[in-house]
Amino acid sequence: GAGVSQSPRYKVAKRGQDVALRCDPISGHVSLFWYQQALGQGPEFLTYFQNEAQLDKSGLPSDRFFAERPEGSVSTLKIQRTQQEDSAVYLCASSLLGAVNQPQHFGDGTRLSIL
Amino acid sequence: TQLLEQSPQFLSIQEGENLTVYCNSSSVFSSLQWYRQEPGEGPVLLVTVVTGGEVKKLKRLTFQFGDARKDSSLHITAAQPGDTGLYLCAGEVSSNTGKLIFGQGTTLQVKP
Repeated sequence: GAGVSQSPRYKVAKRGQDVALRCDPISGHVSLFWYQQALGQGPEFLTYFQNEAQLDKSGLPSDRFFAERPEGSVSTLKIQRTQQEDSAVYLCASSLLGAVNQPQHFGDGTRLSIL
Repeated sequence: TQLLEQSPQFLSIQEGENLTVYCNSSSVFSSLQWYRQEPGEGPVLLVTVVTGGEVKKLKRLTFQFGDARKDSSLHITAAQPGDTGLYLCAGEVSSNTGKLIFGQGTTLQVKP
């Protein structure tokens, strides 16, 4: 399909394990965003890339969270030493340009459960 | 910190009723977007409003941006069960990144 693809759709991990979440944006989209969404709540901004440059990581909750987009396309969100409060849906979105009025296209998210 | 207060958080109505969802902030946004999200899926953009006082209509949905660009509303006329879902407002905080600040969401249930 031509939309934003996220994998895995579901991830269960034990507390303390490291996890990696993948996002394949729409081809040609310059901007890529990661959001965290708790159940029944609105998404919260985590980080933003323009091509391979991470221009804003102000929303990352702690230094256990790390994101990269080395070739300006696929992005990976890594969480080290996971804790129960990390359980949430992690959404990725991409847009053609990082500019006003550019619609963001969201993937269906990765639901992360930490036991 | 820029916050968007969305109300009500939950709304359960009968088919055919009208409803309004509000999104308020003390901050000015360059644009405001409304999304609808189904369970297990990502948010889908419904509309973007940019100009203060702007009104946009999408079939039975009417969106309004406040004159000062700090608040917005979504009005649904004659709600149908297919309108059930999570409605999210999101303000664009910067004109050169597209970073969005989301409200808490309104869970709408329309009963047949």
